Amino acid sequence: SYELTQPPSVSVSPGQTAKITCSGDALPSNFVYWYQQKSGGQAPVLIIYEDTKRPSGIPERISGSTSGTVATLTISGAQVEDEADYYCYSTETNGNYRVFGAGTKVTVL
Amino acid sequence: ELQLVESGGGLVQPGNPLRLSCKASGFMLSDYGMHWVRQRPGKGLEWLAGISWNGVNTDYADFLKGRFTISRENGKNSLYLHLNSTTVDDTAFYYCKTGIFVEPGIGAFELWGRGTLVTV
Repeated sequence: SYELTQPPSVSVSPGQTAKITCSGDALPSNFVYWYQQKSGGQAPVLIIYEDTKRPSGIPERISGSTSGTVATLTISGAQVEDEADYYCYSTETNGNYRVFGAGTKVTVL
Repeated sequence: ELQLVESGGGLVQPGNPLRLSCKASGFMLSDYGMHWVRQRPGKGLEWLAGISWNGVNTDYADFLKGRFTISRENGKNSLYLHLNSTTVDDTAFYYCKTGIFVEPGIGAFELWGRGTLVTV
């Protein structure tokens, strides 16, 4: 079955840049989406759609990019409020079913 | 207010079935494809199933091996997930969500429910 691979954790100092990668063989053919989920059982929030676009209300310090089979979520000038789990989400090769990456825990300290 | 509210979770014995519901308010469910996603305790998000706006097309995660069925009743503004042959590994929060609707030049819309807890 299709998988999206993310690093389990990323640590960043306040004000520095964090990069989270997501790799998958079908990414050149399918959009990737990114979610932020804060602790406490909150529902995930869409922060990047169609590889690079930000929904309304998402700060400009959050950006997305892709290169071949790897998508990258960048948090520039990380703030304590950015501490959360981040998931990439995309579609498998024939476009039928969706898949989430395993998630990356971002720690700002 | 636009909302999705899941219900039907609770304690179920292994092997027994369960039906989860997701009720939309403030908008027409029929405008959207819909999905179910779950999150087991301390684990990541898992996409389970999706259904087209009219219910004609459905897709499932391979690992479900046919145990779950997604359905909808647009007239009731409701989405369902039928769980069969439940196991302890099905213990999770179950979320319904809309498909991601993109309006070029405008932005993206997506709505999640708050989830319902299933304990097997």
